[in-house]
Amino acid sequence: GAVVSQHPSRVICKSGTSVKIECRSLDFQATTMFWYRQFPKKSLMLMATSNEGSKATYEQGVEKDKFLINHASLTLSTLTVTSAHPEDSSFYICSAPSYSGLAGARLGDTQYFGPGTRLTVL
Amino acid sequence: AQSVTQLDSQVPVFEEAPVELRCNYSSSVSVYLFWYVQYPNQGLQLLLKYLSGSTLVKGINGFEAEFNKSQTSFHLRKPSVHISDTAEYFCAVSGGGQNFVFGPGTRLSVLP
Repeated sequence: GAVVSQHPSRVICKSGTSVKIECRSLDFQATTMFWYRQFPKKSLMLMATSNEGSKATYEQGVEKDKFLINHASLTLSTLTVTSAHPEDSSFYICSAPSYSGLAGARLGDTQYFGPGTRLTVL
Repeated sequence: AQSVTQLDSQVPVFEEAPVELRCNYSSSVSVYLFWYVQYPNQGLQLLLKYLSGSTLVKGINGFEAEFNKSQTSFHLRKPSVHISDTAEYFCAVSGGGQNFVFGPGTRLSVLP
């Protein structure tokens, strides 16, 4: 099946620094990718939709200037946490959809998830 | 808009016993339904999905789920669990777009 990778898998940084997380679709093209945040023992919360060739779409309550998203190519999206603070510590997961049915149709897209990035801000 | 409820936050069960993890959803449109499993410090792996057709869906690792439209449910079942099934299980719905809405998750703990 489709594979999505994330790098790094784990990062520890000092408060005030910026951290970049990469999400790659390894064997398929993804014009859209999603970034989720997962707090300990909680479900996934959608942060933003990353669109290749256009601006990302952020969910309500997510600061776009703090969580910068760049969809540089059809296989790469990056999330940069700017001026990170301890409250930004979390598990960040990206996903990319596959398509079922005819080209262009979006019937019950299956999301393929990356392995996640554990961010710890000291 | 869609929402997903997983009534059981934790389910302990002995090895080789059957298990059912409950999922209920609400939506104003037709939905597609998914179950994902998350092992510690890992991403999500698709267990199974319902798009259309037979309401009984079989997935990987011996899991199956049944879509019940009248009860707006999509419960996950396995007739005999193994220690390796210990993980967090998430039910998710999609309205046909690309965005998924996840339930809060159920922690399955398989005891020896």
